[in-house]
Amino acid sequence: AQKITQTQPGMFVQEKEAVTLDCTYDTSDQSYGLFWYKQPSSGEMIFLIYQGSYDEQNATEGRYSLNFQKARKSANLVISASQLGDSAMYFCAMREGPVMKTSYDKVIFGPGTSLSVIP
Amino acid sequence: DGGITQSPKYLFRKEGQNVTLSCEQNLNHDAMYWYRQDPGQGLRLIYYSQIVNDFQKGDIAEGYSVSREKKESFPLTVTSAQKNPTAFYLCASSFDSSYSNQPQHFGDGTRLSIL
Repeated sequence: AQKITQTQPGMFVQEKEAVTLDCTYDTSDQSYGLFWYKQPSSGEMIFLIYQGSYDEQNATEGRYSLNFQKARKSANLVISASQLGDSAMYFCAMREGPVMKTSYDKVIFGPGTSLSVIP
Repeated sequence: DGGITQSPKYLFRKEGQNVTLSCEQNLNHDAMYWYRQDPGQGLRLIYYSQIVNDFQKGDIAEGYSVSREKKESFPLTVTSAQKNPTAFYLCASSFDSSYSNQPQHFGDGTRLSIL
């Protein structure tokens, strides 16, 4: 069964430092996508970055990068130069789904990691 | 600007009452979803819809109902059968869900509480 694990319920990081948020996943599919979302205290979910299972390079998006280790089934989010506005919950999610799949390819969310940036 | 609009932002339900949460998107997305989030927890799927006039139950559909009469709209009704409705409800949409590279875009959520 699909499953997303985020083992860090809460993390602290000093402003301007880098931080890594862990995510491991379990799937039997070869084709899947991995996503990271940010949820500030206001509640909206903000899409940050995507990594495809066949992508050979790690995804990067501004200060966000994804450390993708397919054999270990891990997709850790790295935030460089942390800012106070990065304080939020961060969710890792996975979506299976080759083209032409007729049944719904469920998006599975992990339990989240709460990140606090310290001035 | 394109996006997803959820209303109301806050909603209170009396015992035995049905309430409806609105979700509208102008992103031309095919698929729409409803999630429930309890404090300190992740998202759980209530219902999803891949096309108009079709929808499927998610993991926690009991006590909820939906409709998809228009591509842009996917309202969620919390019925009196849902005995513990207090939660944060998020609506999302995406392009064709058969492609694994499509991220979901979310609305700002509705906080539902029991009076």
